[in-house]
Amino acid sequence: AQSVTQLGSHVSVSEGALVLLRCNYSSSVPPYLFWYVQYPNQGLQLLLKYTSAATLVKGINGFEAEFKKSETSFHLTKPSAHMSDAAEYFCAVTSGAGNMLTFGGGTRLMVKP
Amino acid sequence: EAGVAQSPRYKIIEKRQSVAFWCNPISGHATLYWYQQILGQGPKLLIQFQNNGVVDDSQLPKDRFSAERLKGVDSTLKIQPAKLEDSAVYLCASSPRGVNTEAFFGQGTRLTVV
Repeated sequence: AQSVTQLGSHVSVSEGALVLLRCNYSSSVPPYLFWYVQYPNQGLQLLLKYTSAATLVKGINGFEAEFKKSETSFHLTKPSAHMSDAAEYFCAVTSGAGNMLTFGGGTRLMVKP
Repeated sequence: EAGVAQSPRYKIIEKRQSVAFWCNPISGHATLYWYQQILGQGPKLLIQFQNNGVVDDSQLPKDRFSAERLKGVDSTLKIQPAKLEDSAVYLCASSPRGVNTEAFFGQGTRLTVV
């Protein structure tokens, strides 16, 4: 069984500030981890994914995430927030051949001018 | 490359009515998923197809939900009869063959049951 916990359903930052969105996972087998972003009335778009290569993963729009096995975490960061980053962010895990994604509850990022 | 297409975008029905959603995945993608996303929650997998066979439907409420994938391409998801708690966004996604490949999502169908 696998699960994902995203700490903080809402995160608010000022424009230009560091963005940190937290994700912890549980998986009985080595996981593959993903971050997706969802803009209002849109589907989910992949930001980045961890597939057991480098533990620091760089994604689109300046986001990156670091896989820490000892902490079972895959937190998402961006050095400087932009207004266009305001959206809902979902962490997800999959493991095994099924490719079925298990999502966290999501974190809504708000960026203040 | 065309993305995952879903229709309709929005649907409002009364409880106990039936409704159907349609999904056309990215060409060549073997795997197709239907997710249910209730407001304020993450998407939850309802059913996964590999070509035209069902891989996992353990979370599909089979007394009212049904899904099929015609000839391993398009898929329809049906709810009959609908309940108020079925109000959600229904997301279709597809992925190419392989292990832990990226899933590409459609824009979703927002269902409101009144």
